[in-house]
Formats: sequence, structure tokens, C-alpha cells
Amino acid sequence: QVQLQESGPGLVKPSQTLSLSCTVSGDSISSASYYWTWIRQPAGKGLEWIGRIYMSGSTKYNPSLNSRVTISLDTSKNQFSLKLTSVTAADTAVYYCARDDYDGYYIDYWGQGTLVTVSS
Amino acid sequence: DVQMTQSPSSLSASIGDRVTITCRASQRIGTFLNWYQQKPGKAPKLLIFGASSLQGGVSSRFSGSGSGTDFTLTISNLQPEDSGTYYCQQSYRTLFTFGGGTKVEVK
Repeated sequence: QVQLQESGPGLVKPSQTLSLSCTVSGDSISSASYYWTWIRQPAGKGLEWIGRIYMSGSTKYNPSLNSRVTISLDTSKNQFSLKLTSVTAADTAVYYCARDDYDGYYIDYWGQGTLVTVSS
Repeated sequence: DVQMTQSPSSLSASIGDRVTITCRASQRIGTFLNWYQQKPGKAPKLLIFGASSLQGGVSSRFSGSGSGTDFTLTISNLQPEDSGTYYCQQSYRTLFTFGGGTKVEVK
């Protein structure tokens, strides 16, 4: 059974960098069959796709965040990570990591989500 | 970006009813359309992919249809456990985008 688990600080100060990790179990992030994705959801609002990374290290980001976001892989830990710089209150949200099927074009496994609040 | 518009934004229906949620894309997306169910405090769960394919383990009371720009999710014989918010999502463009959600209340 595939499981994804987000981890990282729940509180980040404005202008600082938000850093989250996602630990994957039951699958390898080196698999050629999937992308590894970050999505966020502000409280009471809809879902926003942040970006994704492939086992080759190739990334794709939401242009609205492009200049501030970096997604990376750590194959030794079977983890992938999100960094979002220069955060503001608008970045306060539940952040989900997820698995995106390479051929099927759908997201089939999600982490439970972690709330990140941007506040001084 | 491909904009996804869902309607209605909320609905209330009785146990046993048949419910339909619609999703419209701002451009043609073939059948690159997925549906998710989200319950409060939980991550979304994939229900339907490729517009009409049922994800494994999902009740057959859920069905999807459509192609191009117009899509529907139908829930037959509505049950209490079907309450939640439903989102459509396009995967035609790599910048995946989601509809605004439809909150379903089961009376």
C-alpha cells in the first residue's frame, strides 16, 4: 500500500522560506511510472497545483509560483521536497504531497496534508 | 491556463436520489478529466479518471461522462457516506487545474 507523509514546520514567518518534505512508502520515487506532486488548499477554498517532479529530476511548476518554488528529490530517503521562498499570508494553506500517474494523468495517492501558517 | 467551472457550488439531496454535478472546461480537453471526493479534514480521493473510468475500490454508484468541454459526475442511489465536496480536475495541460468544488449534503 502506497503511503505519503508530509513533514515540516507548521509556522513560517513572512518573507522566509517554507520547506516541506514528503516521505513515500510502498513505492519508489525512482519509479518511471509516476510524477511526485505538491498541491495546496487554503482554508475553505479550492485546490491549487504547485508543481511536480519526475524521477529524472525534471520539474514543472505553476507559473503563478514559478519564481519562488523548487521541488527536489532525495532518493536515498525516498523523499521529495518543496521549498517556497518569500512567503506571505497568502501562502497559508494545507499542503498535500501526492503521486501522479505518468500515463494515466491522474493523482491516485495523496498524503494526509499538513497545515502551514504564515504569520509573525 | 485551462479554467474549470463546476456547478452547482452546493446541493442537498435525499438518500436514494440521483445527483449530477457538471464541470465545464474553458477549452477542449478531450477526456483528460478526473473527479475527486474530499471529506472535511481529509485529502481528496480519486473517484473517476479519464472522464469515465472508475478508480479501483470506488463504488459503482459513481459514474462519469463527457468529452471536450462538458463533463458530468453522477451519483446514483445517494448514500450518507457520499456527503463531501467534489472536485473536477483537468490533466490535459501540465498545469493541472481544479474546479471550484461542489459541496454535497445528504439529507
